[in-house]
Amino acid sequence: QVLLVESGGGVVQPGGSLTLSCAASGFTFHNYGMHWVRQAPGKGLEWLTFIQNGGNEKFFADSVKGRFTVSRDNSKNILWLQMNGLTAEDTAVYYCARARLYFDFWGQGTPVTVSS
Amino acid sequence: EIVMTQSPATLSVSPGERATLSCRASQSVHSNLAWYQLKPGQAPRLLIYGASTRATGIPDRFSGSGSGTDFTLTINNLQSEDFAVYSCQQYNNWPPWTFGQGTKVEVK
Repeated sequence: QVLLVESGGGVVQPGGSLTLSCAASGFTFHNYGMHWVRQAPGKGLEWLTFIQNGGNEKFFADSVKGRFTVSRDNSKNILWLQMNGLTAEDTAVYYCARARLYFDFWGQGTPVTVSS
Repeated sequence: EIVMTQSPATLSVSPGERATLSCRASQSVHSNLAWYQLKPGQAPRLLIYGASTRATGIPDRFSGSGSGTDFTLTINNLQSEDFAVYSCQQYNNWPPWTFGQGTKVEVK
């Protein structure tokens, strides 16, 4: 079965950096684009970034453009989200999701708290 | 950017009753609309795509309707496991892919 497992979340100081991972299994990873989505406390889901299956095409939400980068290793079935310049507004649960036109499978999320 | 607006924010329903959730897009998204179920500590779950097609394994008490700008998710015969937050998402114009703010279905 399709399984996505995020890791790497934690508490980070304002201005700090963090890298999240998403380990994929149960499907042919290199055939699918992938997304990162977050949900801040009390807020709705917010799409952050998409990476094409080959890793060449990427899109970013304006809220994270220039601060976050996305990458993948298709030989290891891993997706990463590198987050720099973190602020309190980045406090959220971060999810990876498999891309169809919609998002058909999601991980359980990893929490990130930005606080001094 | 297409803005998705859900109503109501909270819906109080008794088990066994019907819940009707609304989602409105700021411009037409045709039928490129998905619904997701969110529960704390769990992976979000795709319920509906194409506005009305149930995803694999989704019970038939969940149904979606609408096209253009106005969409509805109906949950018949609410079960205990259905009390959750529901979010709609458009995938007609991207990037960005945009979500509604969610409707919480709670026990009345």
